[in-house]
Amino acid sequence: GAVVSQHPSRVICKSGTSVKIECRSLDFQATTMFWYRQFPKKSLMLMATSNEGSKATYEQGVEKDKFLINHASLTLSTLTVTSAHPEDSSFYICSAADYNEQFFGPGTRLTVL
Amino acid sequence: GDSVTQMEGPVTLSEEAFLTINCTYTATGYPSLFWYVQYPGEGLQLLLKATKADDKGSNKGFEATYRKETTSFHLEKGSVQVSDSAVYFCALIPPSGGYQKVTFGIGTKLQVIP
Repeated sequence: GAVVSQHPSRVICKSGTSVKIECRSLDFQATTMFWYRQFPKKSLMLMATSNEGSKATYEQGVEKDKFLINHASLTLSTLTVTSAHPEDSSFYICSAADYNEQFFGPGTRLTVL
Repeated sequence: GDSVTQMEGPVTLSEEAFLTINCTYTATGYPSLFWYVQYPGEGLQLLLKATKADDKGSNKGFEATYRKETTSFHLEKGSVQVSDSAVYFCALIPPSGGYQKVTFGIGTKLQVIP
């Protein structure tokens, strides 16, 4: 299957700072990428759908001004957690879509102190 | 809307035991069905998939059959190993394809003891 990378794999930051997470599709062009969030011992919850060249579509209850998504190219989507707080600590996973399925990145562990 | 139901676990088995993790779904039409595995501290890895009724997905000794009549996609393995300890997610994508939201089950934690 296709390969999706995320960077960084782990990040620790202070409360109030912003953190950017990159999601790259390494071997195919992805017009659509997704961002999921996973709470401890829970399933994945879709945060937003990222379409190349247009604004992201956010799921109900997800603050678009807090979780900024940019999909500026066919191989890169970024998620920026602005003014992070401890409750934003979580595991963030992206995926890149093709016609039949989605390919998931390895995830980014965010810890906000 | 679409939904996936699976046992939460944890499921604890001895090495070489038989594994079944049940998964049932609710969806319109014929979704594609998936099993993903997540090892501690890592992301999701696709374990197997099936895209139409009666298809059997298989990988690394794991199998699951797409049963439309019972809306199920149960995961089985004949002889588990300690290295199979992980969380297993059942998931579906609507018939319209990969550009749609993936619906995940809650995840089943499997612990295999020597």
